[in-house]
Amino acid sequence: SQQGEEDPQALSIQEGENATMNCSYKTSINNLQWYRQNSGRGLVHLILIRSNEREKHSGRLRVTLDTSKKSSSLLITASRAADTASYFCATESSNYKLTFGKGTLLTVNP
Amino acid sequence: DVKVTQSSRYLVKRTGEKVFLECVQDMDHENMFWYRQDPGLGLRLIYFSYDVKMKEKGDIPEGYSVSREKKERFSLILESASTNQTSMYLCASSRSSAPNEKLFFGSGTQLSVL
Repeated sequence: SQQGEEDPQALSIQEGENATMNCSYKTSINNLQWYRQNSGRGLVHLILIRSNEREKHSGRLRVTLDTSKKSSSLLITASRAADTASYFCATESSNYKLTFGKGTLLTVNP
Repeated sequence: DVKVTQSSRYLVKRTGEKVFLECVQDMDHENMFWYRQDPGLGLRLIYFSYDVKMKEKGDIPEGYSVSREKKERFSLILESASTNQTSMYLCASSRSSAPNEKLFFGSGTQLSVL
């Protein structure tokens, strides 16, 4: 069953611009995680935000979590062509399994 | 760094064949997972395992089975492959069943069933 849903499905921006992706979910969570996937490869963990946290930073990444709205956003600042990838949110609920959304395809044009 | 290795990058099989997908992790992780990824559907959990010889069904276990005889190895088995099992298969592991653990993924196996 899908828990997280990313929005938009696809995003195309110019190098140097900021990219924002959103994730909405339906049930209560322990945490929300963001992963990145380069074309045809496995997923790589980017950042985890716990349910009692509101904002977290890691390098050029900024993640927010609003549990009242059951939503999260991932902001990539000063994007680079190498940031081109699919980005997935994943939610961990009480049974410690991760449920993934369908992903946002980000294209950063040089 | 944790390494999760999937035995094949690409695999082509015929309908009705028995198919084994192998996954090995080198960091003594307790948990291992098999997902399949299809365009427009995202990642869906097939099976997972919290310990040796232990397995639990995920969201789409039909047509699949798994084996975990050793802690580092988790195998996905397609008893009789069908064309609707053509997909990208992703293996993952995590350190434990505690909350807030992240997954480490292999590079994936693109399986085509003809």
